[in-house]
Amino acid sequence: QKEVEQDPGPLSVPEGAIVSLNCTYSNSAFQYFMWYRQYSRKGPELLMYTYSSGNKEDGRFTAQVDKSSKYISLFIRDSQPSDSATYLCAMRRGDYKLSFGAGTTVTVRA
Amino acid sequence: DAEITQSPRHKITETGRQVTLACHQTWNHNNMFWYRQDLGHGLRLIHYSYGVQDTNKGEVSDGYSVSRSNTEDLPLTLESAASSQTSVYFCASSEGRGSSYEQYFGPGTRLTVT
Repeated sequence: QKEVEQDPGPLSVPEGAIVSLNCTYSNSAFQYFMWYRQYSRKGPELLMYTYSSGNKEDGRFTAQVDKSSKYISLFIRDSQPSDSATYLCAMRRGDYKLSFGAGTTVTVRA
Repeated sequence: DAEITQSPRHKITETGRQVTLACHQTWNHNNMFWYRQDLGHGLRLIHYSYGVQDTNKGEVSDGYSVSRSNTEDLPLTLESAASSQTSVYFCASSEGRGSSYEQYFGPGTRLTVT
């Protein structure tokens, strides 16, 4: 079983829809939770970062962490075609290594 | 502007050849990482380094080696390339042992082993 599970999709939504992405994990030692966005043929770039359980908002993006359920989510409101990308969840313990999910490919249709 | 670069961007090689992928960062970051990305597996850690002369194995290190002789560079060597090593390789870096968490990724190297 992988440490971090993420449904690879693909996910296709119309412009303006809410995109909901999630990951589950098995190792309770994970302390830091991130979402990376990766455009086609590019390197990943950090989108959101959370440390504790709860919600964090940044513009149209909301990240949620539920440590008791070992479940994290990313919501994209009012999705735009420019949001079409692969979204990877990532987690780390106290050191600096990251464990990544498989990534979910999202297409927002104009 | 500070950046992280990888070369070559594309490489085709034959089975059994030794291949070296370059990674260079100008942020003066202590931490550097090599990942491979394959469909269905996301990013998997190959090797990482927390400073000059420090190297560590990741979860998929067999067949790969790295060396860190300066802060800026972490070259990845495939000792004897195999078809299973066909993949997209990403280098990343982050700040030293503090509270920083963000890893900055290079543009990737697409490697094909025939």
